[in-house]
Amino acid sequence: GAVVSQHPSRVICKSGTSVKIECRSLDFQATTMFWYRQFPKKSLMLMATSNEGSKATYEQGVEKDKFLINHASLTLSTLTVTSAHPEDSSFYICSASPPDGLNSPLHFGNGTRLTVT
Amino acid sequence: GENVEQHPSTLSVQEGDSAVIKCTYSDSASNYFPWYKQELGKGPQLIIDIRSNVGEKKDQRIAVTLNKTAKHFSLHITETQPEDSAVYFCAGADKLVFGAGTILRVKS
Repeated sequence: GAVVSQHPSRVICKSGTSVKIECRSLDFQATTMFWYRQFPKKSLMLMATSNEGSKATYEQGVEKDKFLINHASLTLSTLTVTSAHPEDSSFYICSASPPDGLNSPLHFGNGTRLTVT
Repeated sequence: GENVEQHPSTLSVQEGDSAVIKCTYSDSASNYFPWYKQELGKGPQLIIDIRSNVGEKKDQRIAVTLNKTAKHFSLHITETQPEDSAVYFCAGADKLVFGAGTILRVKS
């Protein structure tokens, strides 16, 4: 079945540094991928929609200069948390669906636990 | 935009009992209704979905029912097992709006 791979699964970084998270669709091409943030015991909050070959679409309240998204190929999207601060510590999850319309299921990566010290 | 409400927020059942989780949605144009299971430290996994041309779909112990008139859909898990313990999420029409989640605990 369709698989989305996310890397790394866990990262610890110091305040002020940047962290890159990768999301790959392993057996289908994804023109669109999605990035979410999840706080403990909370639901997933959509941060941005990553579009292959064009700029990402950010949800209201999400700083695009803080969370840089690049979708350079049909199988890879990256999220870079720039100048990370402790409040950026969270669980980040990506998802993608095969390109057969809105009614196809989303496949999620296993998430990245970011801890900023 | 789409509004999705999910209830209950927590649910404890005895092993072997049934569990039901309900979601209501606001967009009457919605026609795809998925349920996801998320285990600790992992991403959500699709467990069942239903499209608006059917009212019920079953997959072994799991079923989803849809009431388009009332704009709600429910997840039913029968003969619950400890491994069913997880957080369950429904999602809205565009798959981008999630319910608040239900923590299901199956007590053995």
